[in-house]
Amino acid sequence: AQSVTQLDSHVSVSEGTPVLLRCNYSSSYSPSLFWYVQHPNKGLQLLLKYTSAATLVKGINGFEAEFKKSETSFHLTKPSAHMSDAAEYFCVVSVFYSSASKIIFGSGTRLSIRP
Amino acid sequence: GEEVAQTPKHLVRGEGQKAKLYCAPIKGHSYVFWYQQVLKNEFKFLISFQNENVFDETGMPKERFSAKCLPNSPCSLEIQATKLEDSAVYFCASSQPGQVNYGYTFGSGTRLTVV
Repeated sequence: AQSVTQLDSHVSVSEGTPVLLRCNYSSSYSPSLFWYVQHPNKGLQLLLKYTSAATLVKGINGFEAEFKKSETSFHLTKPSAHMSDAAEYFCVVSVFYSSASKIIFGSGTRLSIRP
Repeated sequence: GEEVAQTPKHLVRGEGQKAKLYCAPIKGHSYVFWYQQVLKNEFKFLISFQNENVFDETGMPKERFSAKCLPNSPCSLEIQATKLEDSAVYFCASSQPGQVNYGYTFGSGTRLTVV
C-alpha cells in the first residue's frame, strides 16, 4: 500500500529564516515524489519532483528536497522564507502500475510567514 | 498548449441540476486524471484516462458521475442530478507517457457550488 504523511499541519516561520516542511512516504514500489504548492483559491503548482535520479532535487522559487530512502522521507526546504511563500504545500506520491494509476496526496502543510 | 485548461472556473448549480466540467490536457499528454478537492486538504481520486480509454475508475461514484476523453475534444466530467455534497473544486491533471518521470501538470480547477 502507498501513503504519504505530512508531519505538520501548520508551520510558521519569520521572513528570511529557513523553511522545513516534512513528508514521509510508504510505497511498495519505487516511488516518484512531488511537492506542489497551492495559493489561496488557486490551482496546484509543481515545485519539484523526485524520479529516481539525483536524491537532492532543486525546484522553483529556491525550494529543494532530499529523498532519503533509509528514512522514507522527502522533506522540503528553503534557506530563506519570503512573504510570497505563504501557501498550502502538498507532498504527493505517484503510483503507476499496469492495472491502475494514482496520485496520492498528503494532508497538506499550511506555511505562514511572519514579517 | 503548455497548460491544462479547465473550464469553467466557477459553476453554480441548483440541487438536482446537471453539471459538466471540461479539461483540455497538454498536447502530447496521454494520461488525464480527475480529482475532487472537497476539504482544503483532501483530494479524492475520481478517474484516470489513457487517451480515450478509462484507465482507473475506482474512485468514481457510478450513480451520478460520468467522464469521457474523446479524440480531438476536451475531456469532460459530468454530474447528473447534483447534490449539495458535490460542492468542491474539481482538478484535472495530465501527464506524458512514462509518467513517473515527468510528473503531473494540474489545471487551475473548476469550483462547483451546488445550492
